[in-house]
Amino acid sequence: EDKVVQSPLSLVVHEGDTVTLNCSYEVTNFRSLLWYKQEKKAPTFLFMLTSSGIEKKSGRLSSILDKKELFSILNITATQTGDSAIYLCAPLGDNQGGKLIFGQGTELSVKP
Amino acid sequence: NAGVTQTPKFQVLKTGQSMTLQCAQDMNHNSMYWYRQDPGMGLRLIYYSASEGTTDKGEVPNGYNVSRLNKREFSLRLESAAPSQTSVYFCASSPWTASNQPQHFGDGTRLSIL
Repeated sequence: EDKVVQSPLSLVVHEGDTVTLNCSYEVTNFRSLLWYKQEKKAPTFLFMLTSSGIEKKSGRLSSILDKKELFSILNITATQTGDSAIYLCAPLGDNQGGKLIFGQGTELSVKP
Repeated sequence: NAGVTQTPKFQVLKTGQSMTLQCAQDMNHNSMYWYRQDPGMGLRLIYYSASEGTTDKGEVPNGYNVSRLNKREFSLRLESAAPSQTSVYFCASSPWTASNQPQHFGDGTRLSIL
């Protein structure tokens, strides 16, 4: 059965800290892994990772995929209060018909 | 460009009432999805429509029905609402189900069943 586990489930840090969010997965015929950020409303897309070892960056956020060990990490450096959100990872497999399987999410709270 | 629009944003129902949640996208996407989000459980797929004219069950379809009215619109119906269906409902769309492009989400409908 396909599954996704994110850790930690919640995290409280202070502005300026660096955080690492983890996502491990088991998906049949893995195709890609997506990261989303969810504030009060809709999840918004951050990254799509398809290849192992290639870091994707967007400002202070970066993410990398390890297809051998079946995990991905999302790093946020120099955190700001605006980074407070739930971060969701979702792997996609070929035989899922495009259905994303979401992890429980990591709730990040950044204190001033 | 509105993206994915859901209505209503909030709704309170009594047990046994029926309700239809509406979703429309203006990105010319073929595939649309309905999820529910409960605390600590991430997003779970209820139903999806790979293309106009087709619908399929997701992980938690019981108690729901869907209609893909046309390419733009995908509605979710609760025939007889139950307290266990209290949740936040998200609609999403993507170009195709297996495309290497992300799903885009609406802002959600917060539904409470008393």
